[in-house]
Amino acid sequence: DGGITQSPKYLFRKEGQNVTLSCEQNLNHDAMYWYRQDPGQGLRLIYYSQIVNDFQKGDIAEGYSVSREKKESFPLTVTSAQKNPTAFYLCASSIVQEPYEQYFGPGTRLTVT
Amino acid sequence: GQNIDQPTEMTATEGAIVQINCTYQTSGFNGLFWYQQHAGEAPTFLSYNVLDGLEEKGRFSSFLSRSKGYSYLLLKELQMKDSASYLCAASDSNYQLIWGAGTKLIIKP
Repeated sequence: DGGITQSPKYLFRKEGQNVTLSCEQNLNHDAMYWYRQDPGQGLRLIYYSQIVNDFQKGDIAEGYSVSREKKESFPLTVTSAQKNPTAFYLCASSIVQEPYEQYFGPGTRLTVT
Repeated sequence: GQNIDQPTEMTATEGAIVQINCTYQTSGFNGLFWYQQHAGEAPTFLSYNVLDGLEEKGRFSSFLSRSKGYSYLLLKELQMKDSASYLCAASDSNYQLIWGAGTKLIIKP
């Protein structure tokens, strides 16, 4: 079965610690995305990548970092510089062709205290 | 600026019809997506419109008017499992999705 996996489902961290969220896809998609979802707000784009070893900042990249060393993997690190990291994080992927329909992973709920 | 507006919450009765509206303003436009998201889960694709008109897919239909910057999602024969949030997203000139905050649909028996 093709799809996107994110782990873990729930993650708890202390303030000041960096944490890395994993995202793996076996859909052979070139593009991958990270979004943040907060109550009452639309999905906000953190980073995206359309090709291996290249990625671009989204609307809210400050305090986050990514890497794209393999086509299948796009991990997101939430650094201690992110002022309000508690949120639901969604990873998505798409082909690089119209309409760029995005397929989502199950999400990781991160709680930082 | 880029903006998507949709109602925060709607309530409907099982077996009825409901229409969820969405208005958008984007820099360029490459289509309008609707996704369904159950609480705590991933959004799943429902429909895509790029040309004006109605697209029907089973109990769900989606309409687009590019000149008005307007779309709606129509759900017929509502079932309890349709209780979810419905997300409207417009694709801009760079094919990035601009997302609305979602409409929480509550179905009552």
